[in-house]
Order: sequence, then structure tokens, then C-alpha cells
Amino acid sequence: SQQGEEDPQALSIQEGENATMNCSYKTSINNLQWYRQNSGRGLVHLILIRSNEREKHSGRLRVTLDTSKKSSSLLITASRAADTASYFCAPYTGGFKTIFGAGTRLFVKA
Amino acid sequence: EAQVTQNPRYLITVTGKKLTVTCSQNMNHEYMSWYRQDPGLGLRQIYYSMNVEVTDKGDVPEGYKVSRKEKRNFPLILESPSPNQTSLYFCASSPELGANVLTFGAGSRLTVL
Repeated sequence: SQQGEEDPQALSIQEGENATMNCSYKTSINNLQWYRQNSGRGLVHLILIRSNEREKHSGRLRVTLDTSKKSSSLLITASRAADTASYFCAPYTGGFKTIFGAGTRLFVKA
Repeated sequence: EAQVTQNPRYLITVTGKKLTVTCSQNMNHEYMSWYRQDPGLGLRQIYYSMNVEVTDKGDVPEGYKVSRKEKRNFPLILESPSPNQTSLYFCASSPELGANVLTFGAGSRLTVL
């Protein structure tokens, strides 16, 4: 198992703008997942990108994966106030442990 | 509705008074896990279970016990809680044998005085 490190730690944008969050990891992975956590609530699985994929879309979410740089990015387009949350990446290596980093706190101002 | 249910959601207790946080999932998932979340530290894994009667330690198991007698239930037991166990606890499950594509419970906020 390994930990993903999210960057930036915090991000504040206006409603309608795009938000980009980055994740770096250290070793080879099977896939990489992104989760969202609304304040004090459980994490919600957003999207999974496999190691042989470079880009994946789901609604307003776009995830890219660069295995040569061991990094991923999550783009939220046309952000809304409801997107205000913390976002975590989870690099998955096939084990029984998942290590979550401190996440990126996104604040979308109405 | 497919979900992971934790109880209690909020609890204030005193040092040394044994407590159990229950976790139940209705998705027939093999894998279940407990995490604690503390400010600035992210989520840290306490224990996990790959199947009935099969459990193993995560990164911060000290002071906790778990059991998996049935597939759907994975209770977290604090035999003698201490103030440093004040935290937000999450149970999660996965349809796979590993920690992949997790479904989380709503969380249990525990305060130990």
C-alpha cells in the first residue's frame, strides 16, 4: 500500500470556475481512485482510473494519470457551491491497506 | 439501499469505560475496514478484515479490537478508551478482496473525557 499526496492543501475558487487538484505517489499502481468527503461525513468514491488509462471522464469530473511521473490530476469543471469538500486520492497497489493523505480542501464561493 | 451503517454516530464517554462501535453492510462485501480521522493526519487504518474470522492490523491498531463473526458485521471495540482515542471513526467495505473501491459509513464521532 502507499499514500497519495494531494496538492494543493487548500483551494478557493468562484462558482463556475474550474478546480484542479493533483496527486503524487511513489510506486507502481494497479489503479488510482479519487474520493470526496463533505465536512465530517464519510468518503464517497468518485472515479477510478486504471494504470493503462491516461484519461477518464465522469460528468464534470476529468481525471488524468501519468504513470511515468507517478501523478494524477482531478479537474472539476464549472464548479458549484455543492462541490465544496475535501478530495482524496488513493493509489491502489492490490493490497489490503489503503492509505489516505490529508486531502485537498476545496471551497467554492457562490 | 446499499450502504454501510455505523452506530452510534456520536458518543461521549469517560476514560476506561468499554465501548463498541458497530458497523454493518448490506452489500455482501468480503472486505471491511476501520479508519480514524484526525485533523492534519488524514485517514489512518486501524484494522481490516478480508473475510469472516480473518482480520489483520492496520497502521494504528493499539487500543482497539475487532471481530468478524458474520460477513455483514465488523464491530470496533475499545476495551479501555483513553482521551487520545477521541476521533472521527469510519467503517468501509469493498466488493473486492482488497481495499479497492471502498464504500464508507457516515462516521462515528467519539469523545473520550
